[in-house]
Amino acid sequence: QKEVEQNSGPLSVPEGAIASLNCTYSDRVSQSFFWYRQYSGKSPELIMSIYSNGDKEDGRFTAQLNKASQYVSLLIRDSQPSDSATYLCAAPFSGGYNKLIFGAGTRLAVHP
Amino acid sequence: NAGVTQTPKFQVLKTGQSMTLQCAQDMNHNSMYWYRQDPGMGLRLIYYSASEGTTDKGEVPNGYNVSRLNKREFSLRLESAAPSQTSVYFCASSEDRWRGGAKNIQYFGAGTRLSVL
Repeated sequence: QKEVEQNSGPLSVPEGAIASLNCTYSDRVSQSFFWYRQYSGKSPELIMSIYSNGDKEDGRFTAQLNKASQYVSLLIRDSQPSDSATYLCAAPFSGGYNKLIFGAGTRLAVHP
Repeated sequence: NAGVTQTPKFQVLKTGQSMTLQCAQDMNHNSMYWYRQDPGMGLRLIYYSASEGTTDKGEVPNGYNVSRLNKREFSLRLESAAPSQTSVYFCASSEDRWRGGAKNIQYFGAGTRLSVL
């Protein structure tokens, strides 16, 4: 198993729907997670971080962490076409907060 | 506040040529990183520097060298470019403290698109 795995998509949702992006991880990463958004041709930008079990909400975004099942999710409520991007899940290597390992990313397409 | 600045933005090299990618940050961050991003493979760490004067290998260091010139600048050098090094290169930096519930949030530059023919 890769350290951090994501479905590459594309995930296609209609405008106004909830988009659910998932990420699974192995024991080789520390349980502190980051969600980055990357528009085509641009650099990644941080949108959420989570390190505690449960949910963390920020505006239309909710990150969910389930340590028992080793997955982390990002929910986007009221999806907009401007949310269309690739979403990268990342976590630090165990014992090394300086080094992040990234999933391959899930491409989200929100259609009007 | 420019954040993380990378130069050049685009570069085309012939096989065997050398070049240096430059990165500078103005956020007073201790840690800096170089990644490459290839289609379908996400970001892969090439080298990182936890502080001025120190560097360590990441996942894919072969064919690259780095220099942490001072706290602000971290350069990546390709001594003899190969077509397999065609990629988008991102530099990032992070501060080594908790902020907003997370530690070592990384901030990225705009990237360098490199083609090796």
